[in-house]
Amino acid sequence: DTAVSQTPKYLVTQMGNDKSIKCEQNLGHDTMYWYKQDSKKFLKIMFSYNNKELIINETVPNRFSPKSPDKAHLNLHINSLELGDSAVYFCASSRGGQSYGYTFGSGTRLTVV
Amino acid sequence: AQTVTQSQPEMSVQEAETVTLSCTYDTSESNYYLFWYKQPPSRQMILVIRQEAYKQQNATENRFSVNFQKAAKSFSLKISDSQLGDTAMYFCAFMISGGSEKLVFGKGTKLTVNP
Repeated sequence: DTAVSQTPKYLVTQMGNDKSIKCEQNLGHDTMYWYKQDSKKFLKIMFSYNNKELIINETVPNRFSPKSPDKAHLNLHINSLELGDSAVYFCASSRGGQSYGYTFGSGTRLTVV
Repeated sequence: AQTVTQSQPEMSVQEAETVTLSCTYDTSESNYYLFWYKQPPSRQMILVIRQEAYKQQNATENRFSVNFQKAAKSFSLKISDSQLGDTAMYFCAFMISGGSEKLVFGKGTKLTVNP
């Protein structure tokens, strides 16, 4: 059973389109995150939610909107996709408290053409 | 703001040998956690080892160990008896204790284990 699952794993789309990436965790964790990994492999946080409440919202274009219907799900919707949005997007979750680190999903490679 | 620096963009090691990856960080906090994550070509992010800043004892996990020097703000990873499967990007990461649980990553070190 996959702990943190993201769909789709690969996404190729044209500029200007709107797309969503879904994330689900079955670990019972309270906090979920979205990270972006750029072409140089640098990982940067975008958002975090704790029990459906937005906790972290880094400097991200408002074309990106996270949605958390419940604490096991955190989806990422992207409007009006641009070439610069091409990256790998990782979902992650954490237990909280003792900071055991994150459990990551396998990533979604988004390519905007 | 917290920063994490990995000064070695790439490293290589022969199979069965030992290699050390460097990491330094900058923070004014006294309570925090440090991590090493591995990202093989499969893209999956895998937690290798974790260190609590208030613990003086260096963490170890099988062939992986750290050298944590709190005063120097240094957190290096030693891989003993390197295996081909250790070939991956390695990321050092930092998290403040009791905060928002934001994990701040270094830029990574690409490690290649040669047969």
